[in-house]
Amino acid sequence: EAQVTQNPRYLITVTGKKLTVTCSQNMNHEYMSWYRQDPGLGLRQIYYSMNVEVTDKGDVPEGYKVSRKEKRNFPLILESPSPNQTSLYFCASRDPGQGYNEQFFGPGTRLTVL
Amino acid sequence: SQKIEQNSEALNIQEGKTATLTCNYTNYSPAYLQWYRQDPGRGPVFLLLIRENEKEKRKERLKVTFDTTLKQSLFHITASQPADSATYLCALALNSNYQLIWGAGTKLIIKP
Repeated sequence: EAQVTQNPRYLITVTGKKLTVTCSQNMNHEYMSWYRQDPGLGLRQIYYSMNVEVTDKGDVPEGYKVSRKEKRNFPLILESPSPNQTSLYFCASRDPGQGYNEQFFGPGTRLTVL
Repeated sequence: SQKIEQNSEALNIQEGKTATLTCNYTNYSPAYLQWYRQDPGRGPVFLLLIRENEKEKRKERLKVTFDTTLKQSLFHITASQPADSATYLCALALNSNYQLIWGAGTKLIIKP
């Protein structure tokens, strides 16, 4: 089954404790992206990657890091989480093609930073 | 400033009627526009895409229109069903880099 998986699905942590949210896709997509979703604000892009070893900042990259060492994986790293990073996070992938293609989303990770 | 606006208030529709959701944007020249459905606690799921040179797109009970003069897209669900209840998101893609810019979504409630 074609899918994007994320782990963990739920995470409660404390300020300053480094964490990693994993994302993996089995569709051989070159393009992957991380979003955060907050009430009333819609999806905001954190980072994206057009291919292996190529990453770029989105609209809200501060406080986040990513890496793309393999095509299928795109982990999101919070080196020193803060309460304002409490949010619902989604990983997505797509076949870039002409850029028109649909994005496939993971199930989401609900992060709470105390 | 650049904005994408969707109705922030929930839309309540009687089952069987047509639901119409609006996506308005300012100061963008999108290459295309996509509509997604999102159920509570789940990731968005792609529904339809419409390009800048297309006026209308249909898929089963769904219809999307795109008016680049009005800077507006309308999303219609005909013969609505309670199972259509969800939040619907619109997303614009600009020519420059095809990154999607998202609206905040409209919650649709179909009452039996």
